[in-house]
Amino acid sequence: GAGVSQSPSNKVTEKGKDVELRCDPISGHTALYWYRQSLGQGLEFLIYFQGNSAPDKSGLPSDRFSAERTGGSVSTLTIQRTQQEDSAVYLCASSPRGGLLGYTFGSGTRLTVV
Amino acid sequence: GQQVMQIPQYQHVQEGEDFTTYCNSSTTLSNIQWYKQRPGGHPVFLIQLVKSGEVKKQKRLTFQFGEAKKNSSLHITATQTTDVGTYFCAGTGGTSYGKLTFGQGTILTVHP
Repeated sequence: GAGVSQSPSNKVTEKGKDVELRCDPISGHTALYWYRQSLGQGLEFLIYFQGNSAPDKSGLPSDRFSAERTGGSVSTLTIQRTQQEDSAVYLCASSPRGGLLGYTFGSGTRLTVV
Repeated sequence: GQQVMQIPQYQHVQEGEDFTTYCNSSTTLSNIQWYKQRPGGHPVFLIQLVKSGEVKKQKRLTFQFGEAKKNSSLHITATQTTDVGTYFCAGTGGTSYGKLTFGQGTILTVHP
């Protein structure tokens, strides 16, 4: 597609429920990233996929968070047993190669845990 | 791990005044990138600096990369109301190669 597409744009869930956030990167971009942005805060790195290499999961805050990327394209970020502190905007970005040419961000998914 | 610090956190200016935000890394960077996030929007890539001492300009915006590749700045000349938003620096290098570490951002408000 022309840009990075994320769905849903908004998600309200009850505490303890699982959620799945989807990211469809720009076609041909080998690198895909997930970041989290809390209200008025900076961007917190979560996970990074580069081609067929093992993902860099060093930013995942707990084992409730996981992500996968199927066929080198679409990625899903899953949060199990959501908690209120998980409320944030989850941003996905893609780039042609290792981020060296700048990231293109999607519009994000605003997650609210009530 | 790598840390990128950005100051100031907030900057309020009158339209026409200049604005500068500064970025400092705890480690030497391979490159530094700058992004702008409009209120309610997502970060948009502005520019990348790679070489020590590099200076790049985009119209009223001037970007600099320090000689030691550990700091950077963004200067906006004669701000306009369209400049409002949060400006982030982000760097790669050391153990964080391949992924960007973002600064906390500088929120710019421009009063007409």
